Amino acid sequence: SQKIEQNSEALNIQEGKTATLTCNYTNYSPAYLQWYRQDPGRGPVFLLLIRENEKEKRKERLKVTFDTTLKQSLFHITASQPADSATYLCALPPFSGGYNKLIFGAGTRLAVHP
Amino acid sequence: GAVVSQHPSWVICKSGTSVKIECRSLDFQATTMFWYRQFPKQSLMLMATSNEGSKATYEQGVEKDKFLINHASLTLSTLTVTSAHPEDSSFYICSESLDTQYFGPGTRLTVL
Repeated sequence: SQKIEQNSEALNIQEGKTATLTCNYTNYSPAYLQWYRQDPGRGPVFLLLIRENEKEKRKERLKVTFDTTLKQSLFHITASQPADSATYLCALPPFSGGYNKLIFGAGTRLAVHP
Repeated sequence: GAVVSQHPSWVICKSGTSVKIECRSLDFQATTMFWYRQFPKQSLMLMATSNEGSKATYEQGVEKDKFLINHASLTLSTLTVTSAHPEDSSFYICSESLDTQYFGPGTRLTVL
Protein backbone atom coordinates (compact mmCIF):
# COMPACT_ATOMS: atom_id res chain seq x y z
CA SER A 1 0.00 0.00 0.00
CA GLN A 2 1.00 3.62 -0.40
CA LYS A 3 3.30 4.91 2.30
CA ILE A 4 4.74 8.33 3.12
CA GLU A 5 7.63 8.61 5.54
CA GLN A 6 8.92 11.71 7.25
CA ASN A 7 11.49 11.82 10.00
CA SER A 8 9.50 11.63 13.21
CA GLU A 9 12.33 13.07 15.27
CA ALA A 10 12.40 16.81 15.66
CA LEU A 11 15.07 18.71 13.77
CA ASN A 12 16.90 21.26 15.88
CA ILE A 13 19.07 23.81 14.13
CA GLN A 14 20.71 27.12 14.83
CA GLU A 15 19.32 30.34 13.42
CA GLY A 16 20.86 31.21 10.08
CA LYS A 17 21.58 27.62 9.09
CA THR A 18 19.82 25.66 6.37
CA ALA A 19 17.16 23.20 7.48
CA THR A 20 16.65 20.12 5.32
CA LEU A 21 13.62 17.89 5.76
CA THR A 22 13.03 14.60 3.98
CA CYS A 23 9.92 12.96 2.59
CA ASN A 24 10.12 9.42 1.24
CA TYR A 25 7.30 7.52 -0.38
CA THR A 26 6.85 3.95 -1.55
CA ASN A 27 4.75 1.86 -3.89
CA TYR A 28 3.67 4.80 -5.94
CA SER A 29 4.68 7.36 -8.59
CA PRO A 30 2.73 10.55 -7.83
CA ALA A 31 2.23 13.24 -10.42
CA TYR A 32 3.09 15.90 -7.85
CA LEU A 33 4.03 16.43 -4.23
CA GLN A 34 3.17 19.25 -1.87
CA TRP A 35 4.65 20.70 1.30
CA TYR A 36 2.63 22.34 4.07
CA ARG A 37 3.47 24.08 7.30
CA GLN A 38 1.43 23.44 10.44
CA ASP A 39 1.68 25.41 13.65
CA PRO A 40 0.38 23.90 16.92
CA GLY A 41 -3.40 23.94 17.13
CA ARG A 42 -3.78 25.34 13.61
CA GLY A 43 -4.65 24.04 10.17
CA PRO A 44 -1.86 23.41 7.64
CA VAL A 45 -0.77 26.18 5.31
CA PHE A 46 0.26 25.39 1.74
CA LEU A 47 3.87 26.21 0.88
CA LEU A 48 4.97 24.61 -2.38
CA LEU A 49 3.89 22.16 -5.04
CA ILE A 50 6.37 20.35 -7.27
CA ARG A 51 5.41 18.20 -10.25
CA GLU A 52 7.02 14.96 -11.37
CA ASN A 53 8.68 16.65 -14.35
CA GLU A 54 10.27 19.33 -12.14
CA LYS A 55 13.53 18.68 -10.36
CA GLU A 56 13.48 21.75 -8.17
CA LYS A 57 11.14 24.54 -7.09
CA ARG A 58 11.98 27.69 -5.15
CA LYS A 59 9.99 30.29 -3.27
CA GLU A 60 11.89 32.95 -1.36
CA ARG A 61 13.96 31.03 1.25
CA LEU A 62 12.27 27.72 0.47
CA LYS A 63 13.49 25.09 -1.97
CA VAL A 64 11.97 21.74 -2.80
CA THR A 65 13.49 18.93 -4.84
CA PHE A 66 11.72 15.91 -6.24
CA ASP A 67 13.64 12.77 -7.15
CA THR A 68 11.22 10.33 -8.72
CA THR A 69 13.92 7.66 -9.01
CA LEU A 70 14.72 7.73 -5.30
CA LYS A 71 11.06 8.43 -4.51
CA GLN A 72 12.12 11.27 -2.32
CA SER A 73 11.53 14.97 -1.84
CA LEU A 74 13.80 17.29 0.10
CA PHE A 75 12.55 20.53 1.61
CA HIS A 76 15.12 23.20 2.41
CA ILE A 77 14.78 26.42 4.38
CA THR A 78 17.80 28.64 3.98
CA ALA A 79 18.84 31.33 6.47
CA SER A 80 16.42 29.81 8.96
CA GLN A 81 14.73 31.95 11.58
CA PRO A 82 13.03 31.09 14.89
CA ALA A 83 9.74 32.00 13.19
CA ASP A 84 10.28 29.02 10.88
CA SER A 85 9.77 26.69 13.85
CA ALA A 86 6.75 24.52 13.03
CA THR A 87 5.80 21.07 11.78
CA TYR A 88 6.28 20.53 8.06
CA LEU A 89 4.09 18.03 6.25
CA CYS A 90 4.54 16.50 2.85
CA ALA A 91 1.48 15.36 0.95
CA LEU A 92 0.80 13.29 -2.14
CA PRO A 93 -2.27 12.52 -4.19
CA PRO A 94 -3.48 9.02 -3.32
CA PHE A 95 -2.87 6.10 -5.64
CA SER A 96 -6.62 5.51 -5.65
CA GLY A 97 -7.19 8.89 -7.23
CA GLY A 98 -9.71 11.61 -6.44
CA TYR A 99 -9.51 15.20 -7.64
CA ASN A 100 -7.23 17.19 -5.38
CA LYS A 101 -7.27 14.53 -2.65
CA LEU A 102 -4.12 14.35 -0.57
CA ILE A 103 -2.53 11.84 1.75
CA PHE A 104 -0.27 13.42 4.38
CA GLY A 105 2.90 12.29 6.03
CA ALA A 106 3.15 12.51 9.80
CA GLY A 107 5.32 15.61 9.55
CA THR A 108 8.69 16.66 10.91
CA ARG A 109 8.90 19.24 13.66
CA LEU A 110 11.52 21.90 13.07
CA ALA A 111 12.89 23.99 15.93
CA VAL A 112 15.15 26.92 15.04
CA HIS A 113 17.11 28.23 18.00
CA PRO A 114 18.37 31.83 18.26
CA GLY B 1 -5.14 31.77 -1.59
CA ALA B 2 -8.59 30.97 -0.27
CA VAL B 3 -9.78 31.78 3.22
CA VAL B 4 -11.61 29.08 5.15
CA SER B 5 -13.20 29.48 8.55
CA GLN B 6 -14.41 26.89 11.04
CA HIS B 7 -16.85 27.19 13.87
CA PRO B 8 -16.55 26.53 16.70
CA SER B 9 -12.80 26.63 17.27
CA TRP B 10 -13.22 24.36 20.26
CA VAL B 11 -16.08 22.47 21.85
CA ILE B 12 -16.54 20.30 24.92
CA CYS B 13 -19.51 17.98 25.06
CA LYS B 14 -20.86 15.10 27.08
CA SER B 15 -20.66 11.54 25.86
CA GLY B 16 -23.70 10.59 23.81
CA THR B 17 -24.46 14.05 22.48
CA SER B 18 -24.04 15.28 18.90
CA VAL B 19 -21.78 18.09 17.82
CA LYS B 20 -21.93 20.07 14.59
CA ILE B 21 -18.83 21.70 13.12
CA GLU B 22 -19.16 24.28 10.34
CA CYS B 23 -16.65 24.92 7.58
CA ARG B 24 -17.10 28.05 5.49
CA SER B 25 -15.36 29.24 2.37
CA LEU B 26 -15.19 33.02 2.72
CA ASP B 27 -14.01 34.10 -0.70
CA PHE B 28 -14.51 31.26 -3.19
CA GLN B 29 -17.27 28.89 -4.12
CA ALA B 30 -16.23 25.43 -3.07
CA THR B 31 -17.84 22.49 -4.80
CA THR B 32 -15.48 20.18 -2.97
CA MET B 33 -14.29 20.30 0.61
CA PHE B 34 -12.37 17.74 2.62
CA TRP B 35 -12.70 16.76 6.27
CA TYR B 36 -9.72 15.52 8.25
CA ARG B 37 -9.11 14.32 11.77
CA GLN B 38 -5.79 14.70 13.56
CA PHE B 39 -4.80 13.05 16.83
CA PRO B 40 -1.93 14.54 18.87
CA LYS B 41 1.44 14.23 17.15
CA GLN B 42 -0.09 12.27 14.30
CA SER B 43 -0.77 13.02 10.69
CA LEU B 44 -3.95 14.37 9.19
CA MET B 45 -6.26 11.50 8.37
CA LEU B 46 -8.70 12.14 5.55
CA MET B 47 -12.22 11.27 6.66
CA ALA B 48 -14.37 12.23 3.71
CA THR B 49 -14.82 14.33 0.62
CA SER B 50 -17.74 16.72 0.83
CA ASN B 51 -19.43 17.43 -2.49
CA GLU B 52 -21.86 20.31 -2.90
CA GLY B 53 -25.33 19.07 -3.73
CA SER B 54 -24.53 15.39 -3.43
CA LYS B 55 -23.57 12.77 -0.89
CA ALA B 56 -20.19 12.83 0.74
CA THR B 57 -17.62 10.19 -0.12
CA TYR B 58 -16.17 8.54 2.97
CA GLU B 59 -12.75 6.98 3.34
CA GLN B 60 -12.45 3.35 4.26
CA GLY B 61 -13.05 2.77 7.96
CA VAL B 62 -14.96 6.01 8.55
CA GLU B 63 -18.55 5.45 9.70
CA LYS B 64 -20.83 7.58 7.57
CA ASP B 65 -23.70 7.27 10.03
CA LYS B 66 -21.54 8.58 12.82
CA PHE B 67 -19.90 11.42 10.93
CA LEU B 68 -22.67 13.12 9.00
CA ILE B 69 -21.55 15.54 6.32
CA ASN B 70 -23.79 18.06 4.63
CA HIS B 71 -22.67 20.40 1.84
CA ALA B 72 -25.84 22.27 1.07
CA SER B 73 -24.27 25.39 -0.40
CA LEU B 74 -21.10 26.36 -2.23
CA THR B 75 -19.75 28.10 0.85
CA LEU B 76 -20.73 25.81 3.70
CA SER B 77 -20.03 22.22 4.65
CA THR B 78 -20.94 20.80 8.05
CA LEU B 79 -19.67 17.76 9.92
CA THR B 80 -21.87 16.36 12.67
CA VAL B 81 -20.35 13.90 15.10
CA THR B 82 -23.31 11.89 16.32
CA SER B 83 -23.45 10.15 19.69
CA ALA B 84 -19.96 11.34 20.47
CA HIS B 85 -17.70 9.26 22.70
CA PRO B 86 -14.38 10.12 24.35
CA GLU B 87 -12.47 8.33 21.57
CA ASP B 88 -13.93 10.88 19.13
CA SER B 89 -11.98 13.61 20.90
CA SER B 90 -9.66 15.00 18.26
CA PHE B 91 -8.74 17.98 16.11
CA TYR B 92 -11.09 18.22 13.11
CA ILE B 93 -9.94 20.26 10.13
CA CYS B 94 -11.67 21.06 6.87
CA SER B 95 -10.12 22.23 3.64
CA GLU B 96 -11.33 23.82 0.46
CA SER B 97 -10.23 22.27 -2.80
CA LEU B 98 -9.10 24.75 -5.44
CA ASP B 99 -5.72 24.69 -7.17
CA THR B 100 -4.51 23.10 -3.98
CA GLN B 101 -6.06 22.71 -0.56
CA TYR B 102 -6.70 25.63 1.75
CA PHE B 103 -7.33 24.64 5.33
CA GLY B 104 -9.51 26.02 8.03
CA PRO B 105 -8.09 26.73 11.48
CA GLY B 106 -9.47 23.50 12.93
CA THR B 107 -11.91 22.58 15.68
CA ARG B 108 -10.78 20.94 18.90
CA LEU B 109 -13.44 18.49 20.10
CA THR B 110 -13.28 17.10 23.63
CA VAL B 111 -15.86 14.52 24.65
CA LEU B 112 -16.20 13.96 28.37
